[in-house]
Amino acid sequence: GAVVSQHPSRVICKSGTSVKIECRSLDFQATTMFWYRQFPKQSLMLMATSNEGSKATYEQGVEKDKFLINHASLTLSTLTVTSAHPEDSSFYICSARDGGAGVVEQFFGPGTRLTVL
Amino acid sequence: AQSVSQHNHHVILSEAASLELGCNYSYGGTVNLFWYVQYPGQHLQLLLKYFSGDPLVKGIKGFEAEFIKSKFSFNLRKPSVQWSDTAEYFCALHNFGNEKLTFGTGTRLTIIP
Repeated sequence: GAVVSQHPSRVICKSGTSVKIECRSLDFQATTMFWYRQFPKQSLMLMATSNEGSKATYEQGVEKDKFLINHASLTLSTLTVTSAHPEDSSFYICSARDGGAGVVEQFFGPGTRLTVL
Repeated sequence: AQSVSQHNHHVILSEAASLELGCNYSYGGTVNLFWYVQYPGQHLQLLLKYFSGDPLVKGIKGFEAEFIKSKFSFNLRKPSVQWSDTAEYFCALHNFGNEKLTFGTGTRLTIIP
């Protein structure tokens, strides 16, 4: 099946710094990638939909200036948490769709554990 | 708005017991439904999916799920669980209108050897 990677798998940073998380589709081109956030013992909450070559679409309540998403190529999307604070500590998961609109199945990355001190 | 409910938050079973995890959804249109599994320390993996046709779908590792439209349900079943089935299980709904996946809150399954 299609493989999605994330880097880094774990990051610890100081409050006020910015952190970039990469999401790559390894064996397919992904015009659309998704970013989710998972709190402990809770479900995945969609943060934004990232489309190659265009601006991301953010879910209600997600600050676009804080969570910057760039989808510069068909195999790479990045999420930058700017001026991170302890409340941003979470598990961030990306997924990618192997195809355009109408393709349903998403393939998930292994996630990135962000801890902000 | 669409939503997915998983009422079992934590299920504990002995090996060889039968399993049924509940999933109910709320959405008036055409749906695609999924069950994902997240083993400890690993990423989400697709167990099975329902798009159309036979409402009883079979997935990997002996899992199956039944889509009952009248009950808005998509329960996951396995006749005999193994210790290796210990994981978090998520039901998800895909909405063709907005191309989004909505996840349930997940059910933690613990299998006792």
